[in-house]
Amino acid sequence: DAGITQSPRHKVTETGTPVTLRCHQTENHRYMYWYRQDPGHGLRLIHYSYGVKDTDKGEVSDGYSVSRSKTEDFLLTLESATSSQTSVYFCAISESILPGTPYYEQYFGPGTRLTVT
Amino acid sequence: DQQVKQNSPSLSVQEGRISILNCDYTNSMFDYFLWYKKYPAEGPTFLISISSIKDKNEDGRFTVFLNKSAKHLSLHIVPSQPGDSAVYFCAANRPTSGTYKYIFGTGTRLKVLA
Repeated sequence: DAGITQSPRHKVTETGTPVTLRCHQTENHRYMYWYRQDPGHGLRLIHYSYGVKDTDKGEVSDGYSVSRSKTEDFLLTLESATSSQTSVYFCAISESILPGTPYYEQYFGPGTRLTVT
Repeated sequence: DQQVKQNSPSLSVQEGRISILNCDYTNSMFDYFLWYKKYPAEGPTFLISISSIKDKNEDGRFTVFLNKSAKHLSLHIVPSQPGDSAVYFCAANRPTSGTYKYIFGTGTRLKVLA
């Protein structure tokens, strides 16, 4: 258990409304990630962070923004939600499984199911 | 462009037999590969990994094989158990290049029949 929580766990919202999802971790991990999971597409990286205020885009970043003002919190914002953003969103952190090596594994949060109507 | 591919969306295996899940990748720069297991309504959990300097890594009932020339890896589960029924994702990245982005495949749903 890497101490990752996501909130909310479920949300239904209307098209055009802003939505913010929160990921919180308790173990001071440097790397944090947001993914979406959709049938037929697996897990796709939206954005990731390699430190406070340091973020980078993933493969499906259009329509999403992120912020990381504290080590423990990584926020994902949909500025104007669309039905194509209906998905399950997972937050993850990376932790080295072999200290002193570059090999990290990821631990995932429980997910947020977002429905945009 | 799907850099990591799992071409079998589903697989059914009898309890006690071997399950073999396959994964192909296109980017020869990947040098670290991971397998994750996911149950419904839960986040993925790390299962096993392998770096490109090895061709095999074993952990209990789970073994991952890497064939770099074919850009192919496989996960073997022996013996398969009903509790192994889940969706399995393979993932790849390039940590020795200082990149910590992970690219995931689309997943294979394994069903182990009792």
